[in-house]
Amino acid sequence: QVQLVESGGGVVQPGRSLRLSCAASGFTFSSYAMHWVRQAPGKGLEWVALISYDGSNKFYADSVKGRFTISRDNSRNTLHLQMNSLRPDDTAVYYCARGVGDYSGKLHPDYWGRGTLVTVSS
Amino acid sequence: QSVLAQPPSASGTPGQRVTISCSGSSSNIGSNSVNWYQQLPGTAPKLLSYGDNHRPSGVPDRFSGSKSGTSASLAISGLQSEDEADYFCAAWDDSLNSYVFGTGTKVTV
Repeated sequence: QVQLVESGGGVVQPGRSLRLSCAASGFTFSSYAMHWVRQAPGKGLEWVALISYDGSNKFYADSVKGRFTISRDNSRNTLHLQMNSLRPDDTAVYYCARGVGDYSGKLHPDYWGRGTLVTVSS
Repeated sequence: QSVLAQPPSASGTPGQRVTISCSGSSSNIGSNSVNWYQQLPGTAPKLLSYGDNHRPSGVPDRFSGSKSGTSASLAISGLQSEDEADYFCAAWDDSLNSYVFGTGTKVTV
């Protein structure tokens, strides 16, 4: 069965960096695109980033562009999110999710991990 | 700020039918498939409907998605207490080049 396990969350001061990881199993990781989605406490879902199956294409939400970098290591079945210049409004649970294609040629998240909490506070 | 608008809440009694709307534009719902996610309290979101009106394996047929123009909806028939959750619509937006979520609807049974 598909399993996605996020790690690396914690409390960090504004302006500092944090790197999240997502360990994938139960499917051929190198064949699927992957997403990061976040959810601030008590708020809705916000898409963060998408990486293609081979890492050649990356897309970012405007709110994180230039500060966050999505990457993957297909040899280790692992997805990463490097977060720099963190701000208090980046505080959220961060989920990784597998991306699958649809009739419109776009990639939507299907399976999700349980998430890891990032708190940006001084 | 979400570009897909949903009512903040919906409610019904057991056995009733509840419909949740999702309003977008030509750059998202109007040109791409709509997906729906269910988030039970304290858990990760779960894909409930994809490609406008398809159910993943294991999702009861009480849940049905539909789309018309730049709007979509999710219907829950035979409402059950375990359906109490937050529901989010989502679609790719070609103008933003981003995947966008709806504002979310809390369903109370």
